[in-house]
Amino acid sequence: SQTIHQWPATLVQPVGSPLSLECTVEGTSNPNLYWYRQAAGRGLQLLFYSVGIGQISSEVPQNLSASRPQDRQFILSSKKLLLSDSGFYLCAWSLASSYEQYFGPGTRLTVT
Amino acid sequence: GESVGLHLPTLSVQEGDNSIINCAYSNSASDYFIWYKQESGKGPQFIIDIRSNMDKRQGQRVTVLLNKTVKHLSLQIAATQPGDSAVYFCAEMHSGYALNFGKGTSLLVTP
Repeated sequence: SQTIHQWPATLVQPVGSPLSLECTVEGTSNPNLYWYRQAAGRGLQLLFYSVGIGQISSEVPQNLSASRPQDRQFILSSKKLLLSDSGFYLCAWSLASSYEQYFGPGTRLTVT
Repeated sequence: GESVGLHLPTLSVQEGDNSIINCAYSNSASDYFIWYKQESGKGPQFIIDIRSNMDKRQGQRVTVLLNKTVKHLSLQIAATQPGDSAVYFCAEMHSGYALNFGKGTSLLVTP
């Protein structure tokens, strides 16, 4: 069966510091991968998606970036965090041929 | 765009009753819809989905109804249990990759 991992689970970072969140998927090949952000009391906002290694599409322009160095690894990064980057970051995967997206456990980021 | 506000709509039901959670969508071109359940501090969990060529789909204790005429989606949970307490999101697919999520409804099941 497929599983999706995210780490760290929680993170507290000062404004201006860099960020690296990691997501890995097991049990499938060539998945579509997604990064979402969820602000408190709100729905999910799609940040990036990837249909293959090195292929990244950005949905919302901001100071975040994403990379996919391996088939089942998706990384969310920032060079300098802003206070507004605080939130719950969720990685998701889907089969290339399916609309169903499955979410990881999330990373709670607090920028201080 | 999103409206400002941190308070989710809340539905309170008694254990054993049926729950109905509603969702309105705006894009008539959307062809796929999903309901997710999210417990506090966890990632959303897939519940059930429906394609636009259907108007009803049933799962275990859950039924999704789709009314394309009024662009309305509902999730019915039969015999609601305390473990059903969570935030429920509907999401629509309209661009091939991007799921567009609603703000969510908080379901509270009371004994």
